[in-house]
Amino acid sequence: KAGVTQTPRYLIKTRGQQVTLSCSPISGHRSVSWYQQTPGQGLQFLFEYFSETQRNKGNFPGRFSGRQFSNSRSEMNVSTLELGDSALYLCASSRIDFDIPYYTFGSGTRLTVV
Amino acid sequence: AQSVTQLGSHVSVSEGALVLLRCNYSSSVPPYLFWYVQYPNQGLQLLLKYTSAATLVKGINGFEAEFKKSETSFHLTKPSAHMSDAAEYFCAVSEAGSSASKIIFGSGTRLSIRP
Repeated sequence: KAGVTQTPRYLIKTRGQQVTLSCSPISGHRSVSWYQQTPGQGLQFLFEYFSETQRNKGNFPGRFSGRQFSNSRSEMNVSTLELGDSALYLCASSRIDFDIPYYTFGSGTRLTVV
Repeated sequence: AQSVTQLGSHVSVSEGALVLLRCNYSSSVPPYLFWYVQYPNQGLQLLLKYTSAATLVKGINGFEAEFKKSETSFHLTKPSAHMSDAAEYFCAVSEAGSSASKIIFGSGTRLSIRP
């Protein structure tokens, strides 16, 4: 079966712009989580959605937002991009929430802010 | 609060040698423990997980890890390294039944394999 699909794979944006990243979970998965990975901070939790509802949000500024659609696909948006937002953004999905052992990660979107 | 420490940001072994990647955790409740592997420009792939069943956990690609409560450790091993094992490895801890927001990842260990 198809895995978690993240688009685009690579993105270059200019400071001040905004960006939208997309994540399509495995078919039948209803829980989607987002993580930011940087060399300095490692893997940090951004958001968690289940059935279109945001369950948890990490310690990120309000410029970072997300949503989940009825088909479980999720998007995250970053407004007013800063150089420090350059990172690999990873999405993970599972069938149900609180289902950590069965999370499957996508290949990520590499965002570069110049 | 939970935490995880990976000892050694970079480990280099010869092909065919034993691989040992160290992970120590801190948790006030029974933990779930994970090892993930990340190849360049890829996401995280689950190698193995401990969820309070057998303390010796076997994973994919010949890796295994042993949960040692007395030592608060969950070290990853593989008897014989292969060139394809070169990647970054992350240890992670969470509470049983908790959400994705509660997964704590280690800082990672880059494994290099010498021919």
